[in-house]
Amino acid sequence: QVQLVESGGGLVKPGGSLRLSCAASGFTFSDYYMSWIRQAPGKGLEWVSYISSSGSTIYYADSVKGRFTISRDNAKNSLYLQMNSLRAEDTAVYYCARGGAEITGTTSPFDYWGQGTLVTVSS
Amino acid sequence: SYVLTQPPSVSVAPGKTARITCGGNNIGSKSVHWYQQKPGQAPVLVIYYDSDRPSGIPERFSGSNSGNTATLTISRVEAGDEADYYCQVWDSSSDKGVFGGGTKLTVL
Repeated sequence: QVQLVESGGGLVKPGGSLRLSCAASGFTFSDYYMSWIRQAPGKGLEWVSYISSSGSTIYYADSVKGRFTISRDNAKNSLYLQMNSLRAEDTAVYYCARGGAEITGTTSPFDYWGQGTLVTVSS
Repeated sequence: SYVLTQPPSVSVAPGKTARITCGGNNIGSKSVHWYQQKPGQAPVLVIYYDSDRPSGIPERFSGSNSGNTATLTISRVEAGDEADYYCQVWDSSSDKGVFGGGTKLTVL
């Protein structure tokens, strides 16, 4: 069965950095787009970033562009989010989610989600 | 940027029909997906491509999309349907994912 397991969250000071990881299993990871989506405490869902199956195409939300970097290692079935220059407003649960296959790409739904990892940015 | 507008809350009695709307400029031209999120849990896809249901989602869940409004309809509502519901599209003009603000469904 499809499993997505996030790790790497924690408490970090404003201006600091953190790297999130998402370990995927139960499907051919290299065939699918992947995404990071976050949810601030008590708030709604916010799409953060998307990476194509090969890693050649990447998109970011305006709120994180220039500070966050999404990447993937298809040999390790892993998705990453490098977060730099963190701000208090980046505090959220970060979810890894599976998107579509190459043929359907970004219009596909997020059909599987991990349980999330909490990132807290505070001094 | 593209904006999706959902009512903050919808209340319905058990056994009745709940309709949750998602408004957006010409949303009928986009593919809309709906997610259910219960407290402390990750979101779950309940409707994709406007009206398709993933396996395991009850037939009571249905969707439609036309003009400027997409609608998630839950028939014969049960207590277990109480959750937050989010609509989502991909905005190809800006190459960004967009979620609605979410609707809290309360079963009276």
